[in-house]
Amino acid sequence: AQSVTQLDSQVPVFEEAPVELRCNYSSSVSVYLFWYVQYPNQGLQLLLKYLSGSTLVKGINGFEAEFNKSQTSFHLRKPSVHISDTAEYFCAVRVGSTLTFGKGTMLLVSP
Amino acid sequence: KAGVTQTPRYLIKTRGQQVTLSCSPISGHRSVSWYQQTPGQGLQFLFEYFSETQRNKGNFPGRFSGRQFSNSRSEMNVSTLELGDSALYLCASSFSPLTSGVTYEQYFGPGTRLTVT
Repeated sequence: AQSVTQLDSQVPVFEEAPVELRCNYSSSVSVYLFWYVQYPNQGLQLLLKYLSGSTLVKGINGFEAEFNKSQTSFHLRKPSVHISDTAEYFCAVRVGSTLTFGKGTMLLVSP
Repeated sequence: KAGVTQTPRYLIKTRGQQVTLSCSPISGHRSVSWYQQTPGQGLQFLFEYFSETQRNKGNFPGRFSGRQFSNSRSEMNVSTLELGDSALYLCASSFSPLTSGVTYEQYFGPGTRLTVT
């Protein structure tokens, strides 16, 4: 079975600073990887996805992630965050028909 | 294009009661998946429906059930509610089921917040 570990439950950061949200997965087969964002009282919105090809994936709102097969990681990065990026971020892995989510990382951006 | 809609948005029920939640997928989407989100367990997959058939089921007791109609709308039902069923229930729709050869994005609805007292 696959699993997803998001190493930080909360990441506080100042506005305009860079940020990295970490995600590690375990799976014995090829996977598809996703990052979702959830704003308060809303559903999940897809930020970006890795299906195959280039290991550097660019998403919406200036986010990007790098797939590292040897380290089984899919860390999310943004070079300069805004107050509006404050939200919970979920890493997810799909193997076959199952989508498994990490526990989430709360990104707290302060002025 | 209208997004995924879920009704009701908020619900309060008493232990032992049953509840039915509704999800209308994006027009043209035939796959609907349900997830339970709680602070303790996070996001957990409940089941997926495609063309009125349950294609996959997560590790939940039989009190949790669902169905899909010919117009792709889906309902999930929880019988004999327990306090631990309090959660945000999210529905996601996709053009195609997760097992298809091409991966389509899942679009999530805003969720139904269920509180069991």
